[in-house]
Amino acid sequence: QMTQSPSSLSASVGDRVTITCRTSQTIFNYLNWYQQKPGEAPKLLIYAASTQQSGVPSRFSGSGSGTRFTLTISSLQPEDFATYYCQQSYNSWTFGQGTKVEIK
Amino acid sequence: QLQLQESGPGLVKPSETLSLTCSVSGGSISTDIYYWAWIRQSPGTGLDWIASIYYSGYTYYSPSLKSRVTISIDTARNQFSLKMKSMTAADTAVYFCVRRLVRTEIDVFDMWGQGTKVTVSS
Repeated sequence: QMTQSPSSLSASVGDRVTITCRTSQTIFNYLNWYQQKPGEAPKLLIYAASTQQSGVPSRFSGSGSGTRFTLTISSLQPEDFATYYCQQSYNSWTFGQGTKVEIK
Repeated sequence: QLQLQESGPGLVKPSETLSLTCSVSGGSISTDIYYWAWIRQSPGTGLDWIASIYYSGYTYYSPSLKSRVTISIDTARNQFSLKMKSMTAADTAVYFCVRRLVRTEIDVFDMWGQGTKVTVSS
């Protein structure tokens, strides 16, 4: 069971944004984060909880282990308004319900 | 640069079988650190993993879909495919073919096709 929060948030350009993903049992570091824009496929941002995918801006970072994980965007940019998903790969493969980041 | 491209019908009638193919270009489907997967997305259920396959033919299925789904791979054509039988309106979704990277302490869907929308309707 994965619980992602919040389900949506409103923020301004330049804001620091944090999204949380919790699991009911430990998944060690088998946690990945994706960004999805309307009409597009999800794009990998962070894998193994904290490793940035090549080409991803440094403002995106991931942390956590066990059952609690966070995705942080240090300074929100206009192109970051999108929906973000966590996904675990320890016990089968499941996704969080998503966090929609909207313009304030 | 690796690319994945889904192909198949956009409309399927209830009770019929859906057949989708993913063509992989820019890299070999037989690379040993990669598995290949189908994932679907609908407004009601979000992102759902359906099945995965290795180039050797080893398969994994979602327990909730296992009875209706078959995933297969054609290494000569660099393609893999999905068949889902007994389609219902609940199977209406965008279907993505995806590459899954597996290494020590890493298991991630790192490359995605653009997705193909499948509607189940008579």
